[in-house]
Amino acid sequence: DAMVIQNPRYQVTQFGKPVTLSCSQTLNHNVMYWYQQKSSQAPKLLFHYYDKDFNNEADTPDNFQSRRPNTSFCFLDIRSPGLGDAAMYLCATSRDDSGGLNTQYFGPGTRLTVL
Amino acid sequence: KQEVTQIPAALSVPEGENLVLNCSFTDSAIYNLQWFRQDPGKGLTSLLLIQSSQREQTSGRLNASLDKSSGRSTLYIAASQPGDSATYLCAVRSSNTGKLIFGQGTTLQVKP
Repeated sequence: DAMVIQNPRYQVTQFGKPVTLSCSQTLNHNVMYWYQQKSSQAPKLLFHYYDKDFNNEADTPDNFQSRRPNTSFCFLDIRSPGLGDAAMYLCATSRDDSGGLNTQYFGPGTRLTVL
Repeated sequence: KQEVTQIPAALSVPEGENLVLNCSFTDSAIYNLQWFRQDPGKGLTSLLLIQSSQREQTSGRLNASLDKSSGRSTLYIAASQPGDSATYLCAVRSSNTGKLIFGQGTTLQVKP
């Protein structure tokens, strides 16, 4: 029944060691999002894919990149994690609509720890 | 720039009480407003979505209202239970950018 799947659920990496977080969906939605949520803060949008079109938020650090090889999968790559990148990373999907009727479906998140 | 604020940041109530969580937003140009629940260390679960043309939505013991002109929404929880303990996040979908803007959440504790 899982619709938006994130792997792993918990990831520990070392300072500066590249890490990749994975998201997959069974909903066949054309839009996929990555959010960063630090402790006791609101989720913050990093970027999203509209089909294959990549849309980066202006304040997303260059250290964060993303790949979407097909409709079902989307990856978040952190090239050189710093201590400040420790957070919960949330993936979400939606079916695009111009009228804003459709909700976003969120995965369970990956909690990243940077040592 | 759209800003979403939730008050209070934390709330503790005894079991059985009815309670209201508040959400305010600065820009009325929204498609919809959504309430989410987040358990500790977990992802977001959508509770209710109110379209901009609607005034309220109900699901079980939950009722959400929307007053777009004043930039306010409330989430009413009836007969609270310990299982309702979680963080509740409010988010608006901007009709200018299409993006979801979140508040910082209200952490609710319901004591048995």
